[in-house]
Amino acid sequence: QVQLQESGPGLVKPSQTLSLTCTVSGGSISSGDYYWSWIRQPPGKGLEWIGYIYYSGSTYYNPSLKSRVTISVDTSKNQFSLKLSSVTAADTAVYYCARSKSSGWYESWGQGTLVTVSS
Amino acid sequence: NFMLTQPHSVSESPGKTVTISCTGSSGSIASNYVQWYQQRPGSAPTTVIYEDNQRPSGVPDRFSGSIDSSSNSASLTISGLKTEDEADYYCQSYDSSNHVFGTGTKVTVL
Repeated sequence: QVQLQESGPGLVKPSQTLSLTCTVSGGSISSGDYYWSWIRQPPGKGLEWIGYIYYSGSTYYNPSLKSRVTISVDTSKNQFSLKLSSVTAADTAVYYCARSKSSGWYESWGQGTLVTVSS
Repeated sequence: NFMLTQPHSVSESPGKTVTISCTGSSGSIASNYVQWYQQRPGSAPTTVIYEDNQRPSGVPDRFSGSIDSSSNSASLTISGLKTEDEADYYCQSYDSSNHVFGTGTKVTVL
């Protein structure tokens, strides 16, 4: 059974770049059957899709975040990563990595990691 | 931008049935699959319904999903409500490769 684990700093200063990595175990990120996504949830609020990457490197981002987001993949390490630039307090959230099928179904999720933007 | 709107909250007594709606803002919700996730406090979401009306293994048949093209909405029905069903529920779909989550519904079991 595939497992996903987020890692990265829990505190980021305003205007800096948030960087997170998702390590995939129990399955290959190079499998063509899945898409690899980042989703976030501000405290007390709903879920927001950030974007996804295919193992080939093709990406698609939420239009509202597109100018600040980069998602990349490292197949040799079975990892994919998120960079969100110019962060503000509004970017404080629990960030989840997840695996989805072509149907759009997010069938596996990481446990999530809280990132706080504060000076 | 495509949006999915859900009621903020619903509440019902144990043993009863609740239905949560998920209304698409544009286009046809029937064009792409709809999923439903349950989220308990402090935990990651888990799937209760995928691809409109499919249940993952381990999800009881008290959970069911449907699509109503006439109202451009999807619905999650929980029958025989149990206290353990108290949680937040989110619908999710996509439009032109843009994935969208619904606004979320808090289910309270009285």
